[in-house]
Amino acid sequence: AQSVTQPDIHITVSEGASLELRCNYSYGATPYLFWYVQSPGQGLQLLLKYFSGDTLVQGIKGFEAEFKRSQSSFNLRKPSVHWSDAAEYFCAVGGRYDMRFGAGTRLTVKP
Amino acid sequence: DGGITQSPKYLFRKEGQNVTLSCEQNLNHDAMYWYRQDPGQGLRLIYYSQIVNDFQKGDIAEGYSVSREKKESFPLTVTSAQKNPTAFYLCASSKPAAGGNTGELFFGEGSRLTVL
Repeated sequence: AQSVTQPDIHITVSEGASLELRCNYSYGATPYLFWYVQSPGQGLQLLLKYFSGDTLVQGIKGFEAEFKRSQSSFNLRKPSVHWSDAAEYFCAVGGRYDMRFGAGTRLTVKP
Repeated sequence: DGGITQSPKYLFRKEGQNVTLSCEQNLNHDAMYWYRQDPGQGLRLIYYSQIVNDFQKGDIAEGYSVSREKKESFPLTVTSAQKNPTAFYLCASSKPAAGGNTGELFFGEGSRLTVL
């Protein structure tokens, strides 16, 4: 069965610093992979997705993620974090009826 | 603008009462979903519907019921049989499987249910 692990529950970074959020997945076939962001009390917004082709994918708000099949990972990165990036981030694998979400990583941005 | 509308945003319920959460979409998506979100647990699938008049149980369907009488609407009823209903509930939809769609989900803004 597919599953997603986000090892970091909470990360704090300074504004302007780089960011990497980790995601490891377990999936039987070539996975569809997603990163979503959630502001407090809101729904989830898609940041980026991967399903084939170039393993480095670009998303909205300056985020990117790299698919590494050998490590079963899909880490999210941003070169310079802004205060507005403070939110909870969810990695997901699968699609439609079998989408599986990680437990989320909460990002705090220090001034 | 197209999107998913959930109502109410906040809801309080006494123990033993049923409550219905509304979800309406104007994205013309065939599939709709209900997720439950609890702190530290991510999102868990309650029910999903691929087409009108059809729906399937997800991982945690016990104590919940749904209907899909119209393409645009997928209401969720939290019944008195749900032992721990206090949570944040998210409705989502997705495009059809054809055309290489990757199955990404589009979410509403959620409904927070508190049982008093």
